[in-house]
Amino acid sequence: ETGVTQTPRHLVMGMTNKKSLKCEQHLGHNAMYWYKQSAKKPLELMFVYSLEERVENNSVPSRFSPECPNSSHLFLHLHTLQPEDSALYLCASSQGLAGGPGTGELFFGEGSRLTVL
Amino acid sequence: GQNIDQPTEMTATEGAIVQINCTYQTSGFNGLFWYQQHAGEAPTFLSYNVLDGLEEKGRFSSFLSRSKGYSYLLLKELQMKDSASYLCAPMDSNYQLIWGAGTKLIIKP
Repeated sequence: ETGVTQTPRHLVMGMTNKKSLKCEQHLGHNAMYWYKQSAKKPLELMFVYSLEERVENNSVPSRFSPECPNSSHLFLHLHTLQPEDSALYLCASSQGLAGGPGTGELFFGEGSRLTVL
Repeated sequence: GQNIDQPTEMTATEGAIVQINCTYQTSGFNGLFWYQQHAGEAPTFLSYNVLDGLEEKGRFSSFLSRSKGYSYLLLKELQMKDSASYLCAPMDSNYQLIWGAGTKLIIKP
């Protein structure tokens, strides 16, 4: 099993659809993250969970809704997205608690490439 | 505000040496990371510097000067597989990673 697994790898959806991205980590880490990566732009941190509690929400639109049922799983629920939301969505995990020492090295999943029509 | 500056793209020749620079301004500092990202793949960790100086790891080395807000990644004996984007990411006082847009490195035979 790879460290961080994301599904689906590719997703095409209309603006009225509801879909979810899934992330699973097999590394025993305490913190999990959702990042958005658009072409030629820096990684944008969307959400951070530490011990299953959300500790960071960088003013992300409510059409993105995260869920962390346990320390190994993270979801990103998508609803009424816009074409500008098309991007690569990366999940990551780290040892240690988010917002504290030892959280630097992130282990990323392969990403979910989202296209909104 | 917080800002990261690194070149958008660089080109180098197989077997040569290339240095990718990164300057940063952050609210506090708790170290700086370099990540490698091949096209269509996940970023992977390369190096972490928290003290001034050079850290060597095989063909890759990373340098940090905290007083200058400057770091570089040095790649030696370039191979075609080194073609990738290289992301500079300092960590601020809240242990948040501040990401640069990345430098796309193109290796030519």
